[in-house]
Amino acid sequence: DAKTTQPTSMDCAEGRAANLPCNHSTISGNEYVYWYRQIHSQGPQYIIHGLKNNETNEMASLIITEDRKSSTLILPHATLRDTAVYYCIALTSGTYKYIFGTGTRLKVLA
Amino acid sequence: GAVVSQHPSWVICKSGTSVKIECRSLDFQATTMFWYRQFPKQSLMLMATSNEGSKATYEQGVEKDKFLINHASLTLSTLTVTSAHPEDSSFYICSAPPGQRKGWPQHFGDGTRLSIL
Repeated sequence: DAKTTQPTSMDCAEGRAANLPCNHSTISGNEYVYWYRQIHSQGPQYIIHGLKNNETNEMASLIITEDRKSSTLILPHATLRDTAVYYCIALTSGTYKYIFGTGTRLKVLA
Repeated sequence: GAVVSQHPSWVICKSGTSVKIECRSLDFQATTMFWYRQFPKQSLMLMATSNEGSKATYEQGVEKDKFLINHASLTLSTLTVTSAHPEDSSFYICSAPPGQRKGWPQHFGDGTRLSIL
């Protein structure tokens, strides 16, 4: 499964869009990109996932580059409750052995 | 949606005690579940894969005699920390994939905070 690289930390003003990048340059054709977040002292919460196309749900949007080597998670209007560690995982469909990297610690500022 | 429940959410025990943590899939069957450990300000570390009806598969460096895993039914996996010591204090999290839907994300429990005195 592809290794992912994310910035260690980011700040975002409340109400603004938070754009969290993830590099997965060794991703293969059948590997999905999953995004989770972990709020302090809780289990990881699923946000969104995708294979090739951009995806949007009620929580966020996922933009995957055409070469699939990187992706960006977009929280369109960040709130203080979005302060969390965000993890990007690339994984072959049908396997579930998630390997977590260090993630990005997002702090939303009032 | 798929829900994974962990119990207890917090446990404090004396050194030398064995502690059992339960992980349940509430509205789906899970032939496989995963156990993670997380130390403060660190990422989740995969400990083992729990397989229904067969032995668990442990990651390198994880003591299988220390962390006993039982997956006796399609909705329940248990992790027992045997003869726990203060260095076993950590946040333990389980996860389960919801069936065989291709590419579908798995879901995580809310974790169990274990403190050994």
